[in-house]
Amino acid sequence: DIVMTQSPLYLPVTLGQPASISCRSSQSLLHSDGNTYLSWFQQRPGHSPRPLIYKVSNRDSGVPDRFSGSGSGTDFTLTISRVEAEDVGVYYCMQGTLWWTFGQGTKVEIK
Amino acid sequence: EVQLVESGGDLVQLGGSLRLSCAASGLTFSIHWMSWLRQAPGKGLEWVANIKGDGSEKFYVDSVKGRFTASRDNAKRSLYLQMDSLRVEDTAVYYCARLNFPDYRYFDLWGQGTLVTVSS
Repeated sequence: DIVMTQSPLYLPVTLGQPASISCRSSQSLLHSDGNTYLSWFQQRPGHSPRPLIYKVSNRDSGVPDRFSGSGSGTDFTLTISRVEAEDVGVYYCMQGTLWWTFGQGTKVEIK
Repeated sequence: EVQLVESGGDLVQLGGSLRLSCAASGLTFSIHWMSWLRQAPGKGLEWVANIKGDGSEKFYVDSVKGRFTASRDNAKRSLYLQMDSLRVEDTAVYYCARLNFPDYRYFDLWGQGTLVTVSS
């Protein structure tokens, strides 16, 4: 199984400031078809997960452009350019290259 | 409105069975791979099962193989998860989700979840 490891697990942020979450996989997520299937989800308190990013850097429909994804191989990053109050929640990375596995989650809170 | 609505979650005894349902609306249900995922209380997300649009292919995480069965009724736009031989560690909120496959290989639409509690 591919193990996904996120850091940090807890991220206090200041409104209006940038924030980044790291996600590392135990093996390369480059699929034999040439694509890298790494996605990101946001889970606000009391809600179901919301897709944010797919295939490393593609924003899902309706996702604000302050969210961006980057990376390749085994190292990936989710960046929020300017944190807003509604961004509070837990963020998960997920690989879909070999079955589907999630990172442990990163809890984002406002300082 | 495109949505998925799960139902059927309950408190069940160790070793018991339960059947979850997921009703889809606003999408062409029969063409989509569908999935079940779960989240134990206070824990992270875990993929459980996938089923192809016509029901001809199914995949499961190792921990539920032989105990859980995914199925679907496209005429009713419904997805099901039959859970047998339930264990305490199966306690979780179960989510129904649409799997964007094979293009993007991620879950692009989620339901609100239904809670399954397995008591010893």
